[in-house]
Amino acid sequence: GAVVSQHPSWVICKSGTSVKIECRSLDFQATTMFWYRQFPKQSLMLMATSNEGSKATYEQGVEKDKFLINHASLTLSTLTVTSAHPEDSSFYICSARGVGAYEQYFGPGTRLTVT
Amino acid sequence: DAKTTQPTSMDCAEGRAANLPCNHSTISGNEYVYWYRQIHSQGPQYIIHGLKNNETNEMASLIITEDRKSSTLILPHATLRDTAVYYCIAYGYNFGNEKLTFGTGTRLTIIP
Repeated sequence: GAVVSQHPSWVICKSGTSVKIECRSLDFQATTMFWYRQFPKQSLMLMATSNEGSKATYEQGVEKDKFLINHASLTLSTLTVTSAHPEDSSFYICSARGVGAYEQYFGPGTRLTVT
Repeated sequence: DAKTTQPTSMDCAEGRAANLPCNHSTISGNEYVYWYRQIHSQGPQYIIHGLKNNETNEMASLIITEDRKSSTLILPHATLRDTAVYYCIAYGYNFGNEKLTFGTGTRLTIIP
């Protein structure tokens, strides 16, 4: 149980385009989903927290207009990187937390490369 | 959330027990000790968590000192597949604002 998937697993896009990453909880309902970013040889950095049906809460320094998060259902959250630039190239990881739970279960990550 | 301190790296021989320490001297009473690991280029994997009692599951054991200022994660029979970065995180209820804060973790290398 507690499986989280991400799609795509990797994506290459051109500078200036937008990319959407999906995060799904496959066998549980996730009231809260989290988006992290990880640069090479660094730790995970929380970007934003999203609760189903409400606006996401972004961490300090994360541009909410650049990283659009939608959490329209209890099993799906999406992160859209708008007008991507090479410095946005990173490993993006989502996690999900079930109703009344503390544990976060992580997806396998999406590697974004912007050329 | 309380800050945790872990050694940067450790080696362990395959088949031996791997003991990963973590200091969390400022942990508050409502914070649990959580352990996750991240194998290269994958998302973190939940291992175990505890509040003050020792815990064991199919993956590992968690030993928490009586004063809760430190803990040890034990992988009883390490295999090559246990090579990963291990994160110790103090994490507890915060009125719905709970967040996992990842430090730099311990890079565990299992030696054949």
